[in-house]
Amino acid sequence: GAVVSQHPSRVICKSGTSVKIECRSLDFQATTMFWYRQFPKQSLMLMATSNEGSKATYEQGVEKDKFLINHASLTLSTLTVTSAHPEDSSFYICSANPRQGATDGYTFGSGTRLTVV
Amino acid sequence: GENVEQHPSTLSVQEGDSAVIKCTYSDSASNYFPWYKQELGKRPQLIIDIRSNVGEKKDQRIAVTLNKTAKHFSLHITETQPEDSAVYFCAARKTSYDKVIFGPGTSLSVIP
Repeated sequence: GAVVSQHPSRVICKSGTSVKIECRSLDFQATTMFWYRQFPKQSLMLMATSNEGSKATYEQGVEKDKFLINHASLTLSTLTVTSAHPEDSSFYICSANPRQGATDGYTFGSGTRLTVV
Repeated sequence: GENVEQHPSTLSVQEGDSAVIKCTYSDSASNYFPWYKQELGKRPQLIIDIRSNVGEKKDQRIAVTLNKTAKHFSLHITETQPEDSAVYFCAARKTSYDKVIFGPGTSLSVIP
């Protein structure tokens, strides 16, 4: 089946530093990927839509200069949390539709637990 | 934009009983409604989905119903088992290229 690989699974960083999270579609091409953030005991909140070869589309209230998204190839999207602060600590998870044009459910990466100290 | 509401937020049932989770959505253009199960610390897993041209779909102990006129859809789990304990999310999407918007989630506990 379709697999989305996400790395790292856990990361601890110091305040003020940047962290890059990678999301790869292993056996399919994804022109669009989605980045979500999930705080403890809360739902998945969409942050942005990553578009291959073009700029990402950010949801209202998400700072595009803080959460940098790059989708340079059909199998890789990256999310960089810049100048991280403790309030950015969260579970970040990406997803992609393995069958563009079809109406199947999206596949999720395994998520990244970010802790900013 | 789309807004998905979900009730109840928590649900406890005895093993063997049924569980029902209800959702509503706001955007009449939404035509695809997946349900996800998420265990603690893990990724959401798609358990069943329904498209707008279908009113009901069943897969073993799990069924989903959709009332497009009322913009309601529900998840039904019969003969619940302890391993069904998890957080369940309903969601809605317009086109196959579009973003998936999640409901707030229901924490289901199945008591042995």
